[in-house]
Amino acid sequence: QQPVQSPQAVILREGEDAVINCSSSKALYSVHWYRQKHGEAPVFLMILLKGGEQKGHEKISASFNEKKQQSSLYLTASQLSYSGTYFCGTDYGRLERQLTFGSGTQLTVLP
Amino acid sequence: ETGVTQSPTHLIKTRGQQVTLRCSSQSGHNTVSWYQQALGQGPQFIFQYYREEENGRGNFPPRFSGLQFPNYSSELNVNALELDDSALYLCASSLETTLPTDTQYFGPGTRLTVL
Repeated sequence: QQPVQSPQAVILREGEDAVINCSSSKALYSVHWYRQKHGEAPVFLMILLKGGEQKGHEKISASFNEKKQQSSLYLTASQLSYSGTYFCGTDYGRLERQLTFGSGTQLTVLP
Repeated sequence: ETGVTQSPTHLIKTRGQQVTLRCSSQSGHNTVSWYQQALGQGPQFIFQYYREEENGRGNFPPRFSGLQFPNYSSELNVNALELDDSALYLCASSLETTLPTDTQYFGPGTRLTVL
């Protein structure tokens, strides 16, 4: 039931782009993206609802492909502050909105 | 507006002991969810409390229990600690669990080490 994230890790130079994928074998109601820096709490980035909606926040955007049950997070012109572990949390529509998280993608941005 | 707070920050216990972790939800939030995060893994859902009632539970044994108080703060209790219980315990508060766009905001976590 756990969503599968890919890649597991990626190293970038400042200014480069990255894509992180999150795939589920079950039908998704929504996908929640978080970034967690070492020793800190996960920080909310955005929610994607089923319907193929694409959302964005500055240079970070995401899409939700309902047919493939997959969400992708796009980081454009990455900055040093983007370094951290990115998690997708999938919501399968249960009443309590339980989130099932993937194992994370470790992103390192080098100067 | 204060964010989600948790106490204590770190805790060391021995196998078989009991532990209580505390969480204060963000102002105006009535829902608290607890997660266990093992090293190198994503958070794993333990249970959720909504208006002082348990509102869903993940795949954790009954020795993991919780409470939510009238001010919507919450406790996680773990009895008969095992070595595998060593992890970061996160709580997340949200405004209204039934909304599809409900966002969960995480606290900084409590690092539990069981020796």
